[in-house]
Amino acid sequence: GQQLNQSPQSMFIQEGEDVSMNCTSSSIFNTWLWYKQDPGEGPVLLIALYKAGELTSNGRLTAQFGITRKDSFLNISASIPSDVGIYFCAGQASGTYKYIFGTGTRLKVLA
Amino acid sequence: KAGVTQTPRYLIKTRGQQVTLSCSPISGHRSVSWYQQTPGQGLQFLFEYFSETQRNKGNFPGRFSGRQFSNSRSEMNVSTLELGDSALYLCASSLDGGAAEKLFFGSGTQLSVL
Repeated sequence: GQQLNQSPQSMFIQEGEDVSMNCTSSSIFNTWLWYKQDPGEGPVLLIALYKAGELTSNGRLTAQFGITRKDSFLNISASIPSDVGIYFCAGQASGTYKYIFGTGTRLKVLA
Repeated sequence: KAGVTQTPRYLIKTRGQQVTLSCSPISGHRSVSWYQQTPGQGLQFLFEYFSETQRNKGNFPGRFSGRQFSNSRSEMNVSTLELGDSALYLCASSLDGGAAEKLFFGSGTQLSVL
């Protein structure tokens, strides 16, 4: 099935560091969603983006809707151990109601 | 407001058996989507139901089917289970499944096929 490319695939960081990840597509999207998933649990919605160039924050998390509408970015500032998990992006194209999910970025935080 | 509820949380079946998974959406949500998640393939869309009708379908064999009831609760059925069907099955609900709507996921059903 179709998936969006997420980068990096995984990352180890020190507690307190900032984290950046991105999601790219060959198609234009009208909506981007970002999720965090803990092992054995369902994804939890973090941020929703609706307009090209939009920048939205949720606590230490900030996400941006790329101006080309083919990418999106998620930043986590001052990471803490509970940030560990897999982060997924999901994009919805115009004319479809289906979301396409990214391959995920696995984040590990070293205390 | 209660979130999306999936039951059971864990299932162990053997090849050839069939299984039914249940999903109760957030109150007021009428669209229910199902996804299969495996380590190798990520999150793959199975189908979406709205007003008791399958509105969208992914690329899965006919062994995977579903239905939605008048109270928006949904069930997913997999017949003639294969080893490769072992996965986390996730249900997500949204208001109407329309453009720009947020998807909310349940905790999933972990299916193991032996």
